[in-house]
Amino acid sequence: DAGVIQSPRHEVTEMGQEVTLRCKPISGHNSLFWYRQTMMRGLELLIYFNNNVPIDDSGMPEDRFSAKMPNASFSTLKIQPSEPRDSAVYFCASSFWGVTEAFFGQGTRLTVV
Amino acid sequence: DQQVKQNSPSLSVQEGRISILNCDYTNSMFDYFLWYKKYPAEGPTFLISISSIKDKNEDGRFTVFLNKSAKHLSLHIVPSQPGDSAVYFCAARRRGSSNTGKLIFGQGTTLQVKP
Repeated sequence: DAGVIQSPRHEVTEMGQEVTLRCKPISGHNSLFWYRQTMMRGLELLIYFNNNVPIDDSGMPEDRFSAKMPNASFSTLKIQPSEPRDSAVYFCASSFWGVTEAFFGQGTRLTVV
Repeated sequence: DQQVKQNSPSLSVQEGRISILNCDYTNSMFDYFLWYKKYPAEGPTFLISISSIKDKNEDGRFTVFLNKSAKHLSLHIVPSQPGDSAVYFCAARRRGSSNTGKLIFGQGTTLQVKP
């Protein structure tokens, strides 16, 4: 299995632009998580899905952030408009429903200038 | 407010010695704790876990200790190897959320093991 696949690996964009991060979970996994890593706060859960349905989006910082999971093999995290403080590493993770130990992708390093 | 705290941003130890990484939590509703390891340019990988009904769990060179009264857990690596150099994240799961996989992570501690 290829594991959780995220794209792009690196993204540099200008403030105000729309950014879309992509994730392909491990085949068969039915829970998907989006995390953001910063130096100050470590890994923060932004949103998670079970069976493609968003369950908890309380970690999404602002309305500028949105996430979708149109099918079991694909999810997106969108930031519109982006701001410099959104600069961070964004991770996607997946697991089987009810299994706490999730598998993480390699992350997308986002830089907003 | 940070419910899971790793107060030491970094730790340096000599190869062969013991590494002790610490983690404190504030929420008494946490019932399951995990440690993840992260190498540069990679995602975190699960390392070891412990349920709140236990006070110790061991897996090879890695042992996690849980002190519920102090709301403190620690990860011991013995003996430490240069390949253990990575960022270690402590994470906790809240009771009642076992079917969601939702975790609260700490800030991470960077371990450097010197040859």
